[in-house]
Amino acid sequence: DAKTTQPTSMDCAEGRAANLPCNHSTISGNEYVYWYRQIHSQGPQYIIHGLKNNETNEMASLIITEDRKSSTLILPHATLRDTAVYYCIVRGSNTGNQFYFGTGTSLTVIP
Amino acid sequence: NAGVMQNPRHLVRRRGQEARLRCSPMKGHSHVYWYRQLPEEGLKFMVYLQKENIIDESGMPKERFSAEFPKEGPSILRIQQVVRGDSAAYFCASSPTGQGGTGELFFGEGSRLTVL
Repeated sequence: DAKTTQPTSMDCAEGRAANLPCNHSTISGNEYVYWYRQIHSQGPQYIIHGLKNNETNEMASLIITEDRKSSTLILPHATLRDTAVYYCIVRGSNTGNQFYFGTGTSLTVIP
Repeated sequence: NAGVMQNPRHLVRRRGQEARLRCSPMKGHSHVYWYRQLPEEGLKFMVYLQKENIIDESGMPKERFSAEFPKEGPSILRIQQVVRGDSAAYFCASSPTGQGGTGELFFGEGSRLTVL
């Protein structure tokens, strides 16, 4: 079962920052937070992951709260091509081998 | 820089036939995962394999479904005697590390099975 809670859907204006929240209140100390997205019916695409510290790469930034019970994925300048379902996943050695995908957040970027 | 390759991309079968879906992981990856996505739903884990071993099949239906990852060649997900409820997108993913690792999964584009 997915150990995360995300809003079902969100809208964001093109060019603005998209902030996608995720609650993972039962996260364990050795579990990482991963973000993937799925554009239309394509294969899921890795975005970013982190443990404690905030992370940034060419796609996005990941902000993890100090207590690690929640995180936010930030797409700094959303484009129409960022319209997708975004999945927040927690995974660690005690979670087993699989990534559990919940229902994610359907992000629509509006022109 | 070949990614995860899945074939066929689309497969149509009649009820009762067999479906075989193939997955070649990224170069250097020895861990393969299969996921199923029913229409309008999220991805559901099915099975995790390493070369010649099934590590975790907790998501596999008890009957008609099997998976293998031989020493040579692609991983194969086999569905015997397909039923309409098997119609779905089947995604394969690979990673360079498995249990306990922190590496991400790399997904293929999926195989879409339609059962008539």
